[in-house]
Amino acid sequence: EAGVAQSPRYKIIEKRQSVAFWCNPISGHATLYWYQQILGQGPKLLIQFQNNGVVDDSQLPKDRFSAERLKGVDSTLKIQPAKLEDSAVYLCASSTLRSREGVNEQFFGPGTRLTVL
Amino acid sequence: AQSVTQLDSQVPVFEEAPVELRCNYSSSVSVYLFWYVQYPNQGLQLLLKYLSGSTLVKGINGFEAEFNKSQTSFHLRKPSVHISDTAEYFCAVRKGGGNKLTFGTGTQLKVEL
Repeated sequence: EAGVAQSPRYKIIEKRQSVAFWCNPISGHATLYWYQQILGQGPKLLIQFQNNGVVDDSQLPKDRFSAERLKGVDSTLKIQPAKLEDSAVYLCASSTLRSREGVNEQFFGPGTRLTVL
Repeated sequence: AQSVTQLDSQVPVFEEAPVELRCNYSSSVSVYLFWYVQYPNQGLQLLLKYLSGSTLVKGINGFEAEFNKSQTSFHLRKPSVHISDTAEYFCAVRKGGGNKLTFGTGTQLKVEL
């Protein structure tokens, strides 16, 4: 079974530029998550999709960040314009809608490391 | 809201020695608890989880954790570490009935020869 795919793996941009990250979840996983992991901190949830609908985007800085999952499969996270403090690893994860235990394990991709200069 | 505290940012240990990585959580409701491992330049991998039942949970790679409700702790242990265990370890909590994971700041485990 293929895992969660993310691209690019690394990106370096200058502040005020825009950038986009792509995520393809595990086949059949209805729920998709984007996390931001700043150096020295744990991952922080930015946005959660269930199929193509947003479940939770309470911690997404909506003035500069946007995300979409138009067909309920792959997803794109965009930052426009980028700031220095956006330097982080952006992790994508996916999970099934339901599990036998009632707790759906999240499977993580390798992440995209963003450096804003 | 729930939160997770990992007091040790780094834990150096010699190979074949035992190790304990500490995790404390705070929540006013029932929670599920998780430990994830992150190897360099990789995503997070689930080590083990506590949902209910036995308070001693066994995971992959010889790791285990014990849920202690009175001390609100979920410490991770391994009786004998290997060089390949060098990685960052994250404790996470999830509110019962919800999907959102709240992570601690992580503990870097460095196993030395």
